[in-house]
Amino acid sequence: DVKVTQSSRYLVKRTGEKVFLECVQDMDHENMFWYRQDPGLGLRLIYFSYDVKMKEKGDIPEGYSVSREKKERFSLILESASTNQTSMYLCASSLLNPLQETQYFGPGTRLLVL
Amino acid sequence: GDSVTQMEGPVTLSEEAFLTINCTYTATGYPSLFWYVQYPGEGLQLLLKATKADDKGSNKGFEATYRKETTSFHLEKGSVQVSDSAVYFCASGGSYIPTFGRGTSLIVHP
Repeated sequence: DVKVTQSSRYLVKRTGEKVFLECVQDMDHENMFWYRQDPGLGLRLIYFSYDVKMKEKGDIPEGYSVSREKKERFSLILESASTNQTSMYLCASSLLNPLQETQYFGPGTRLLVL
Repeated sequence: GDSVTQMEGPVTLSEEAFLTINCTYTATGYPSLFWYVQYPGEGLQLLLKATKADDKGSNKGFEATYRKETTSFHLEKGSVQVSDSAVYFCASGGSYIPTFGRGTSLIVHP
């Protein structure tokens, strides 16, 4: 089975702190994604990556950056956390082949910024 | 651009009731269609999918049929259980970035 793991289930940070959220997948997937999930807004794409060192902005990239140094690992970085970044963050991965486009999600990281 | 519209929730049902969650999409071409489920405290997981018109996806008693003429992919289950309480997301594919609906919360009471 595909497994996507996220480094933390819960995080509490202070405003202005630098925050790292890490995601690892074990199925050699080319594509990796970071979403945030907020009540009433569904899933919103922050960034995605289709290859090592490649990244593309999603719908809401402001205030975030990403890093993909290895194929299996995709990190989301909040350079200076703000209270409006309190949310659930979900990582996902998928194959590059558009005929195999099922996404596999991690369990999520619930981030609280005080 | 592509979009997916789901009925707003929450949907509240008694155990053994019939479930329908409506989903319609707009897209160029004929994308694959998906239903994902998110149980409390977890990430999303694939529930079922269909890759072409008139295909029926099914899993765990849930079904959805890809209707090209009505651009719909409604989720149905004949008899829901308390354990089906979750948030359900409809999604369309077609590229490697899916388009998700906003999710529909289902609450099933004993």
